[in-house]
Amino acid sequence: EIVLTQSPGTLSLSPGERVTLSCRASQSVSSNYLAWYQQKPGQAPRLLIYGASSRATGIPDRFSGSGSGTDFTLTINRLEPEDFAVYYCQQYGSSPLTFGGGTKVEIK
Amino acid sequence: EVQLVESGGGLVQPGRSLRLSCAASGFTFDDFAMHWVRQVPGKGLEWVSGISWKSGTIGYADSVTGRFTISRDNGKKSLYLQMNSLRAEDTALYYCARAFERGKWGGFDIWGQGTMVTVSS
Repeated sequence: EIVLTQSPGTLSLSPGERVTLSCRASQSVSSNYLAWYQQKPGQAPRLLIYGASSRATGIPDRFSGSGSGTDFTLTINRLEPEDFAVYYCQQYGSSPLTFGGGTKVEIK
Repeated sequence: EVQLVESGGGLVQPGRSLRLSCAASGFTFDDFAMHWVRQVPGKGLEWVSGISWKSGTIGYADSVTGRFTISRDNGKKSLYLQMNSLRAEDTALYYCARAFERGKWGGFDIWGQGTMVTVSS
């Protein structure tokens, strides 16, 4: 099983700031099948990025994903008030599919 | 409108069974792999099980293997999760989710709102 470790656990930031979230895999993610999700309280997760770097439909271009192999990054340029949420990475290249533990981005 | 609606959750005693359903609408259901993901309130996401478009590929998390069975009925545009020998640690909100692209296994672009399963005596 591929273990995904997200860091940091919590980030306290202000609107307008740039944020970089990390997701590290215990072994290489096949075909860079790595996704990022955003989840707000009381809501289902929303797909932001798939294939490590492709934005899902309707996702603003301030969200970008990068990385390959075992190290992946989600970057949010110019945080908007609606971006404060929990972010999860997920690998779907090998079974069982696994999620990281999440990073909470909170308002400073 | 593309939509997934889960049902079948509730309070059940340890060791008993429960069957979850997920009704799909607004898209060609049999083109996509489908999955179940669960979340303990206030905690992270855990993939439970997935099934490919024609049920040729099925996968389970180690924590549910041998107890849970996923299935689908493409004619009814429905996904199911039969949960047997339930344990307290199965208590969670269960989401139904769609793989984002035809022929792909993961990356979930459509999610239901979830159905809560509580296992307690």
